[in-house]
Amino acid sequence: SAVISQKPSRDICQRGTSLTIQCQVDSQVTMMFWYRQQPGQSLTLIATANQGSEATYESGFVIDKFPISRPNLTFSTLTVSNMSPEDSSIYLCSVIPANTGELFFGEGSRLTVL
Amino acid sequence: QQPVQSPQAVILREGEDAVINCSSSKALYSVHWYRQKHGEAPVFLMILLKGGEQKGHDKISASFNEKKQQSSLYLTASQLSYSGTYFCGTETRSRDDKIIFGKGTRLHILP
Repeated sequence: SAVISQKPSRDICQRGTSLTIQCQVDSQVTMMFWYRQQPGQSLTLIATANQGSEATYESGFVIDKFPISRPNLTFSTLTVSNMSPEDSSIYLCSVIPANTGELFFGEGSRLTVL
Repeated sequence: QQPVQSPQAVILREGEDAVINCSSSKALYSVHWYRQKHGEAPVFLMILLKGGEQKGHDKISASFNEKKQQSSLYLTASQLSYSGTYFCGTETRSRDDKIIFGKGTRLHILP
């Protein structure tokens, strides 16, 4: 298993500002994933973050809007840039620990953009 | 490509059974099942890797028909604690390690 800590757990932000979400894992993992879950909706993959390389973004998500850093095997950040009310959502960091195939989620960061 | 889940919602009385289906138009490497309760992160239930594989623990089990690219989650003698939204997540044959989730099935258990 994996224990994933996300910060902040929630925040209220003003339109046009940016917020960085941090994700810390208690073990080294090759791949980290960032998902978004809008109210009452499914989990939508934003990007896959590998250590030492640029993140791979899914269709509809771009690096300028959601820059991701992955400086080492236990940490990643997701920035939501130039926020609008449509970015109000829960952002979830997740990992697949080695040899498990199981995807574990952090508790999520609930963003509200006014 | 997002897998398709059915039904969208189910209401059961405690002790009744439910089946949730998940299908994909792409060849699948694995199927993952998760349950999410309101305000909480999704919790892993099980992963199925092989065609025709079945897994289960307690009264929750699942099957995976690799040839049909379909999986079903079976909840037997449902308990109040089973309430929540169930998501299937699929990983395609290319084994790219990313998991794409269906829209979810809301399950509500009545006492």
